[in-house]
Formats: sequence, structure tokens, C-alpha cells
Amino acid sequence: GESVGLHLPTLSVQEGDNSIINCAYSNSASDYFIWYKQESGKGPQFIIDIRSNMDKRQGQRVTVLLNKTVKHLSLQIAATQPGDSAVYFCAENLGVSGSEKLVFGKGTKLTVNP
Amino acid sequence: ETGVTQSPTHLIKTRGQQVTLRCSSQSGHNTVSWYQQALGQGPQFIFQYYREEENGRGNFPPRFSGLQFPNYSSELNVNALELDDSALYLCASSRDSYTGELFFGEGSRLTVL
Repeated sequence: GESVGLHLPTLSVQEGDNSIINCAYSNSASDYFIWYKQESGKGPQFIIDIRSNMDKRQGQRVTVLLNKTVKHLSLQIAATQPGDSAVYFCAENLGVSGSEKLVFGKGTKLTVNP
Repeated sequence: ETGVTQSPTHLIKTRGQQVTLRCSSQSGHNTVSWYQQALGQGPQFIFQYYREEENGRGNFPPRFSGLQFPNYSSELNVNALELDDSALYLCASSRDSYTGELFFGEGSRLTVL
């Protein structure tokens, strides 16, 4: 079964606020995690990734935090915009190298209110 | 646009039939992965091909099979279709098998009646 899960299925925020989407994983040997965004009718879109030798990584308006002690990661979106409305998935690689066995969680639906 | 194209976009089959889905990867990418996404769920990994060889497989029965061609395009074949095979099938390409930065197509929506 899946080892990646999300704490909340839906999240509603006001435009301009910061958003935090959480994800828990159960495989302590996992060392590579990726966040994807999926808009309605489209395929998932890569946002950011992080390997287990890091605890934080920043991109454009996004930050991923990894807490290996409690097996938790989060995606923070700064100054959330209406275009950020989508379903967000965390994924964990259970393979040996990179992407040969990505396991996705069920997703969190983010709604940004104007 | 990701540069990954899938065909057909929609199709309807009956139980027991066979289906072939096709994917053209982004130029320069040698790795293709296939996922099944049921409604309201996250994508589930089916298998990955790296330079024409299967490089990893998820928990799917052998009636799910694939191919990758020398130009790195790919096919997903499903035999003996079952009702539960109804889903969105996503293809993703990447520059290699070490990166989790996958470029997804928009998927093929399969309905099995």
C-alpha cells in the first residue's frame, strides 16, 4: 500500500496569504521526496524536490521542509495567488536511484479565495 | 506545455478487450514512466522505461505491459480489461531515471464498460 499521506484533503486560503500543505511518510529509508501540482484537466506539474541530506529547500515562492525525525514534509507557498488553486501531491521514491518508483499521496486540494 | 503528448485522449472499451496507449516524450528525455490515476486519487506508478528497458515496476499485474522505442516514445498495453481499469493513464518523461522532475502529458482517459 501507499506509504505517503496528507494530513488534510482540502485547504482554503485568502489571496495573498501563505499556504502550508503537509505530508507524512512512513518509510524511514525514503531519501527523496517531490511535490507536484495538478490543475483540473491537466497532468501533474513538478514544483520542487528534496533529498534526505537536506532539511529545507527553496524555490520561487515555495519552500519545502523535511523533518526526518517525525517523517514529515511540508510545502509552503508564499503570497498565494488564484493560479495556485490546484491539487497538490507529495511523492516519495521507493526505488534505488531517483524516479523509478514514485509513490504519490492522495493529494490536498488548495482553493485560493480572491 | 510539457512537450509530452499522449494519444488517444479519451477511449471507451468493453470488459475483456485490449487497449494500447501511446506517448511521445519530450525531446532529449530517455526515461518514460506510466501512472494510473483513479478519480480523486493520486497517480499510481505502473512502470518506468529507461533506454528501452523496464527500470522499475509498481504493483500491477502482468496484463499491464509496456514498450519503449529507440526514439524513446512509449506504449502502454493492457490486456483483458476489467471495469477497475477505468482511469486516467498518465505518461511522464524525464531526462534520466535519477530525477524526480517528471514532465507529464495530459493523459488518456479510459472507460471500461
